[in-house]
Amino acid sequence: EDQVTQSPEALRLQEGESSSLNCSYTVSGLRGLFWYRQDPGKGPEFLFTLYSAGEEKEKERLKATLTKKESFLHITAPKPEDSATYLCAVQARSNYQLIWGAGTKLIIKP
Amino acid sequence: EAGVAQSPRYKIIEKRQSVAFWCNPISGHATLYWYQQILGQGPKLLIQFQNNGVVDDSQLPKDRFSAERLKGVDSTLKIQPAKLEDSAVYLCASSPSGGQGAHEQYFGPGTRLTVT
Repeated sequence: EDQVTQSPEALRLQEGESSSLNCSYTVSGLRGLFWYRQDPGKGPEFLFTLYSAGEEKEKERLKATLTKKESFLHITAPKPEDSATYLCAVQARSNYQLIWGAGTKLIIKP
Repeated sequence: EAGVAQSPRYKIIEKRQSVAFWCNPISGHATLYWYQQILGQGPKLLIQFQNNGVVDDSQLPKDRFSAERLKGVDSTLKIQPAKLEDSAVYLCASSPSGGQGAHEQYFGPGTRLTVT
């Protein structure tokens, strides 16, 4: 069964304290892995798409990496405005539907 | 470029009443999705349209939920009658193409439904 698990459920960091969020997945052939950011009261905002193991993408303080079993979202020197829930989703080759994780709630304290 | 528009933003109804949500996708996007998101969970796909045809509605509770996308542009999602467990945020998303590649989806702000 295709599945996505995100950890930790919640993460509290001090401003400037770097860390990583994890997205573990099992899927029968990966078409793509997506990272989204969701602020309270808003819809998810697209961040990255990763297609194959070894691929990396960066945007400001965020860097996403992909292996055959998991993806990491690294956040470097975070600021309070990076506080949000980060969602991971995968799309299998056999099915166009996105399979979503439950998200990691990131809180950056000033 | 205008984003995905949804209305209303909030709705409170009593159980057994009906409710409808509206979505206008990004111009030119062929694929439209309706999701249900319960607090603390990822979005759950209810229905996917490619132009004005249904691609996937396997998780849509068809005894009470219905959706249409006339003319392949905007869409409405209806619940009739509503149950307490329908309380959630209903998200609409669109993407340029649904089929072959892994295409990112762009989301609207959502409609928060409370059923009392």
